[in-house]
Amino acid sequence: DAKTTQPTSMDCAEGRAANLPCNHSTISGNEYVYWYRQIHSQGPQYIIHGLKNNETNEMASLIITEDRKSSTLILPHATLRDTAVYYCIVNGAGANNLFFGTGTRLTVIP
Amino acid sequence: KAGVTQTPRYLIKTRGQQVTLSCSPISGHRSVSWYQQTPGQGLQFLFEYFSETQRNKGNFPGRFSGRQFSNSRSEMNVSTLELGDSALYLCASSLAWSVAYNEQFFGPGTRLTVL
Repeated sequence: DAKTTQPTSMDCAEGRAANLPCNHSTISGNEYVYWYRQIHSQGPQYIIHGLKNNETNEMASLIITEDRKSSTLILPHATLRDTAVYYCIVNGAGANNLFFGTGTRLTVIP
Repeated sequence: KAGVTQTPRYLIKTRGQQVTLSCSPISGHRSVSWYQQTPGQGLQFLFEYFSETQRNKGNFPGRFSGRQFSNSRSEMNVSTLELGDSALYLCASSLAWSVAYNEQFFGPGTRLTVL
């Protein structure tokens, strides 16, 4: 069963920030939020993960609400190469059985 | 460091046959997971192996099986192939099973077509 809800698709202008929302209202206290993306015809790629605090790495930032029921993935300066399907996944610590759901298809427009 | 490799990359089989797919994880990674991706069902978890033991299993029939060897390489087997088994089969490896989080590294996949 899906633990997350994401918009089906989004567009973003090249060079602008892409903000991808995710709802996970049934998240448990020990579950993490993971983000992966899949560029056409490639295997999924890990982006970032978080538990409670906001996180940032070289690829993106993850903002998790205080009640942990939703989060936003931010790509600060979207490029054409960021066009992909983005998956928000909620999973227990150390668990490798990821449930991908349908994801958000992000299209970066020149 | 070499990434996850999967062989073969493409495969064509006929209904009723069986197939074996291979996955070599990143060096040092002990966990290997398998996923099936189809246009209709999306990415679905098949099973995970850690230290040669199946740790988790998804909701797939018994025709789908796997194993892991002592060097962490993994194979999955599908017997009595059906048309609906046509899919991209993805393998992912990660360092361990019991750490607080697990970044999974995916291979390029094996594209299986069943005729």
